Amino acid sequence: AQTVTQSQPEMSVQEAETVTLSCTYDTSESDYYLFWYKQPPSRQMILVIRQEAYKQQNATENRFSVNFQKAAKSFSLKISDSQLGDAAMYFCAYRTGTFEYSGGGADGLTFGKGTHLIIQP
Amino acid sequence: EAGVAQSPRYKIIEKRQSVAFWCNPISGHATLYWYQQILGQGPKLLIQFQNNGVVDDSQLPKDRFSAERLKGVDSTLKIQPAKLEDSAVYLCASSSSLQGVEAKNIQYFGAGTRLSVL
Repeated sequence: AQTVTQSQPEMSVQEAETVTLSCTYDTSESDYYLFWYKQPPSRQMILVIRQEAYKQQNATENRFSVNFQKAAKSFSLKISDSQLGDAAMYFCAYRTGTFEYSGGGADGLTFGKGTHLIIQP
Repeated sequence: EAGVAQSPRYKIIEKRQSVAFWCNPISGHATLYWYQQILGQGPKLLIQFQNNGVVDDSQLPKDRFSAERLKGVDSTLKIQPAKLEDSAVYLCASSSSLQGVEAKNIQYFGAGTRLSVL
């Protein structure tokens, strides 16, 4: 079974600065996807960024980027120019890619415990 | 495009009572998931549907939890009887199963139902 570990229960950063959230995972699969989701107090999970394991290039989405180290099974999220609206719980998640082309398989997400990000004004 | 709809937003019940949650996925999404998120933890998958069939229910406590998606669209998750440890947020998510769709592997979440069992 796959596991996802987020070792930072809470992180704090000054507004406009850069912060990195850590995530490690364990899997025996070679084909999979990794995600970072943001969960504000409203509870709705919002996708921040995703990475396909077969892609060597790190994903970026505006101020958000990842450092994907496949051999080390590490998937960290970097938030640049932090804004007050970035304050939330951040969850790292894993999804198998086994059924990507056959379809219809069990592909629920495995989540870490989350990191609470605080933005200091 | 409307998102994943869930109701109710909050529910308070006493232990041993029954409760049901409803989810309507994004239009056209064949795959629907129910997750349980206990306070201080990440969500845990309870059950996955593909259209109206169950794909994965390995983590569903079947002695008290049940779920259905009869017409392959909306879904209901039921707990009967509820225990104190069932207090959690229940999240519903959906994804598209269409091959070649860019967002095929992305799960979109609803706002969840917060259940308090007293």
